[in-house]
Amino acid sequence: RKEVEQDPGPFNVPEGATVAFNCTYSNSASQSFFWYRQDCRKEPKLLMSVYSSGNEDGRFTAQLNRASQYISLLIRDSKLSDSATYLCVVNINFNKFYFGSGTKLNVKP
Amino acid sequence: GAVVSQHPSRVICKSGTSVKIECRSLDFQATTMFWYRQFPKQSLMLMATSNEGSKATYEQGVEKDKFLINHASLTLSTLTVTSAHPEDSSFYICSARDDRVRYEQYFGPGTRLTVT
Repeated sequence: RKEVEQDPGPFNVPEGATVAFNCTYSNSASQSFFWYRQDCRKEPKLLMSVYSSGNEDGRFTAQLNRASQYISLLIRDSKLSDSATYLCVVNINFNKFYFGSGTKLNVKP
Repeated sequence: GAVVSQHPSRVICKSGTSVKIECRSLDFQATTMFWYRQFPKQSLMLMATSNEGSKATYEQGVEKDKFLINHASLTLSTLTVTSAHPEDSSFYICSARDDRVRYEQYFGPGTRLTVT
């Protein structure tokens, strides 16, 4: 079983839609969690850290469910510019972490 | 804040030559830097972790004599691909982190290496 699993997608949604991705992790000792976005042929950029209480940044909301061992990312009012691959990252400790393989989002006009 | 640069952004070299890629943290001190490679439509693959002033820790299957990593200062790490072969052609990305402050890694813009 992979340490971190994501649905590769693609998720094809119209502009303005709300879309949600999940990322499941296998190690219950995981300590910190992040969402990155990666545009085609570019480097990953940090989107947001995921806190136990959940956190929101504009149209983006991240949640952590430790009991079920997953994190989620909700994007409201999707924009064309949100089209990218979204990577989740799970840290077991400082130097042990795992990247998901990414979920591709296509927002269409 | 948290800007990481990489140089060069793109390089083409001949088989058998060596290529050096630089990764710099511009506005913070990077106690740890990571080197990744990524093939088209695939996920990032961690190659090695380097801490300033100490030897890099390589992931299983990554040849340390082929991919030389030097983390010379708190703002600079270099990756040298020695005796490059066409199968080394890939997108190489570094990331940097200040362990004293946070878990988050910040990525450089990547270097696209083509070996002919």
